[in-house]
Amino acid sequence: GQQVMQIPQYQHVQEGEDFTTYCNSSTTLSNIQWYKQRPGGHPVFLIQLVKSGEVKKQKRLTFQFGEAKKNSSLHITATQTTDVGTYFCASPPLNRDDKIIFGKGTRLHILP
Amino acid sequence: KAGVTQTPRYLIKTRGQQVTLSCSPISGHRSVSWYQQTPGQGLQFLFEYFSETQRNKGNFPGRFSGRQFSNSRSEMNVSTLELGDSALYLCASSGTGVATNTGELFFGEGSRLTVL
Repeated sequence: GQQVMQIPQYQHVQEGEDFTTYCNSSTTLSNIQWYKQRPGGHPVFLIQLVKSGEVKKQKRLTFQFGEAKKNSSLHITATQTTDVGTYFCASPPLNRDDKIIFGKGTRLHILP
Repeated sequence: KAGVTQTPRYLIKTRGQQVTLSCSPISGHRSVSWYQQTPGQGLQFLFEYFSETQRNKGNFPGRFSGRQFSNSRSEMNVSTLELGDSALYLCASSGTGVATNTGELFFGEGSRLTVL
């Protein structure tokens, strides 16, 4: 079945450093979503990428969807303490028989 | 616009008991999906309801069940609780639904279940 691998599992960065998390699939994805979950909170939608090679920016966050639609990345420039949390990618189903698949998430910890 | 509301937020049960969790979606949303979140397995899809019909189901045993009412509120039930059922149970509402491959999910705060 469809699987989405997300790496790294954990990342510790100094405040001000950049951060990147990657999602990889062995199969072509219809689209990909990214969510952020703060410690003790619930996942909050960040963005959805649909087109091959798509790049979207939200302030310091840059999201990319690979040309083959098998991988995606989230890059944060100059991290801040407010970026702490776990970032998940999610692959919505290709058809009604499939299920949404979430990556296991990358937990970002910021060192002051 | 009110968000997704889940009740109860926290509960403690013992093995063998059953539990019912409730989820009220965002007004106008007809899709409610449920997820189990654990440190080891991450977020796993349980099932989705749309207009009172189950549209899809994850790979969980039959002890996990759900339903949706005409006002789109949904409940999930876990019977014969096991220690491994301890988790954060999240529900999410969507205007179009998970199965339609579009649209963001709006998550509730979750119900944290501890099974002793």
